[in-house]
Amino acid sequence: NAGVTQTPKFQVLKTGQSMTLQCAQDMNHEYMSWYRQDPGMGLRLIHYSVGAGITDQGEVPNGYNVSRSTTEDFPLRLLSAAPSQTSVYFCASSLAGTARYGYTFGSGTRLTVV
Amino acid sequence: ILNVEQSPQSLHVQEGDSTNFTCSFPSSNFYALHWYRWETAKSPEALFVMTLNGDEKKKGRISATLNTKEGYSYLYIKGSQPEDSATYLCALVQGAQKLVFGQGTRLTINP
Repeated sequence: NAGVTQTPKFQVLKTGQSMTLQCAQDMNHEYMSWYRQDPGMGLRLIHYSVGAGITDQGEVPNGYNVSRSTTEDFPLRLLSAAPSQTSVYFCASSLAGTARYGYTFGSGTRLTVV
Repeated sequence: ILNVEQSPQSLHVQEGDSTNFTCSFPSSNFYALHWYRWETAKSPEALFVMTLNGDEKKKGRISATLNTKEGYSYLYIKGSQPEDSATYLCALVQGAQKLVFGQGTRLTINP
């Protein structure tokens, strides 16, 4: 099993550019989430989904869009990149509710906005 | 957004010694607590999901306890080995899919 696959692993963007971070899982997990990791801070939730067609905002959603058209894929779109979005982004999935199941994380995407 | 505190922020332990560290959280509105191990250049790996007051979980030399009434969880490592060097994260399930992570405890095992 591939688990949770994130692409790309590294990306440099110019301010104002848009891009999509890809996330795919092959474990038939219902729940998927995007987190960002910044120095000195814990992982912060950007957006999450509890199933295909259902998404909701997390703690830091501004500047990001998501959609969940299939169970497998949960892309994160940066609409107009800003230097404050320089971060490491992690996609994670769980079989069902996180009151019972832990997350499986992808390997991360390191994004630099210049 | 509630606050999840982990202490200490970093810890150096001699190989073979046992150690423990703490995750503290507001005790109200508790759903579940997660522990993860995050090795350098890898992604976080789930260790435990704990839900009940008094819960104790064990995985090899690592174990965890949970006290929801006083709002803390301890993670213990018995007989530390170099491969235990990692950052250990705890996260509180705030609702549905919303996990709030602490900043982690960075553990270094000295040979």
